[in-house]
Amino acid sequence: GAVVSQHPSRVICKSGTSVKIECRSLDFQATTMFWYRQFPKKSLMLMATSNEGSKATYEQGVEKDKFLINHASLTLSTLTVTSAHPEDSSFYICSARDPNNEVEQYFGPGTRLTVT
Amino acid sequence: GDSVTQMEGPVTLSEEAFLTINCTYTATGYPSLFWYVQYPGEGLQLLLKATKADDKGSNKGFEATYRKETTSFHLEKGSVQVSDSAVYFCALSASGGSYIPTFGRGTSLIVHP
Repeated sequence: GAVVSQHPSRVICKSGTSVKIECRSLDFQATTMFWYRQFPKKSLMLMATSNEGSKATYEQGVEKDKFLINHASLTLSTLTVTSAHPEDSSFYICSARDPNNEVEQYFGPGTRLTVT
Repeated sequence: GDSVTQMEGPVTLSEEAFLTINCTYTATGYPSLFWYVQYPGEGLQLLLKATKADDKGSNKGFEATYRKETTSFHLEKGSVQVSDSAVYFCALSASGGSYIPTFGRGTSLIVHP
């Protein structure tokens, strides 16, 4: 099946700094990628939909100035957590959609962010 | 809107026991249905899927049948192993929701030797 990678897998940063997480589709071109946040023992919460070459669409309650999303190419989307705070600590997961198979999404392995 | 309801966990079983994790859904149109598995500290992996009524998805000994009449997609395995311990998510994807998955809350499975 299609492969999606995320980098880094774990990151620890200090409060007030910014952190960038990369999501790459390795063997297909993804016009649409998605960013999710998962709290401990909870389901995935969709944060935003990232479309190549255009602005991301954020879900209600997600601060677009805090969670900057860039989808500059058909194989790369980035999520930047700006001025991170401890409450931003979470597991962030991206997924990508193959335009030849809209029904299914392919998930990355996730990034564990810890803000100290 | 679309929704997915899963049985609450954790589900605790002994090795070789029979597993059922219930999943029901509400959706407009004709959704595709999925089961994902998440091992500790990892992302989601697609376990199996079914795209139309009466389809049976199967993988690694797990099965689920798309039942339109009962709007269900229950996950089953005849004999679980310790390595099956994980969180299982039921999800649907439909054109009305732009094919963005709607997830259930997840069910934790713990298998003891």
